[in-house]
Amino acid sequence: DQQVKQNSPSLSVQEGRISILNCDYTNSMFDYFLWYKKYPAEGPTFLISISSIKDKNEDGRFTVFLNKSAKHLSLHIVPSQPGDSAVYFCAASAVTGGGADGLTFGKGTHLIIQP
Amino acid sequence: EPEVTQTPSHQVTQMGQEVILRCVPISNHLYFYWYRQILGQKVEFLVSFYNNEISEKSEIFDDQFSVERPDGSNFTLKIRSTKLEDSAMYFCASSGPGTNTDTQYFGPGTRLTVL
Repeated sequence: DQQVKQNSPSLSVQEGRISILNCDYTNSMFDYFLWYKKYPAEGPTFLISISSIKDKNEDGRFTVFLNKSAKHLSLHIVPSQPGDSAVYFCAASAVTGGGADGLTFGKGTHLIIQP
Repeated sequence: EPEVTQTPSHQVTQMGQEVILRCVPISNHLYFYWYRQILGQKVEFLVSFYNNEISEKSEIFDDQFSVERPDGSNFTLKIRSTKLEDSAMYFCASSGPGTNTDTQYFGPGTRLTVL
């Protein structure tokens, strides 16, 4: 039961160009979404998040867009840099008000930035 | 910058043995979590902990697992009788005041190998 889907296992982008990573979800109870970056043998590193009351959130080179009607979000990285090469995970939570809600992760997209 | 730490980085154990994985969450955080990632699979939520009790748990978190906050800084995951299929990376995370409560920060992980 894949409630969070990242359909592209890998993505190759030239340095300096825009990287666009996509994520779809099926659970309409999800209302908080996060992107994490992960290098091999390390834990996920938080990048950026968005609440369902917004459709866009920007932090430096990273922008996350949320389309609630389509149950789709995307992460844009502009410009892409070699250090951005990593696995990117989309995650979601259904904040039920009790706190401490577990995140549901996608399978990840391996982003490769070509020099 | 405050971070979540985990020990050991790698634990090797025999099937049927008990293991305890340790985590030190970010100091002013109030919510604590354990996740696991089996090789080649996605990160999966195990359990969350708040106010000295389990807040939420997944169906993976059966009677073989337990969590504890034995003092003011450590958060532990115990697996009572390990099975081969418990081999995975185990990640601790925390969230709480000073950050968006819904944003979880992950440790570097403990690689558990069950022989």
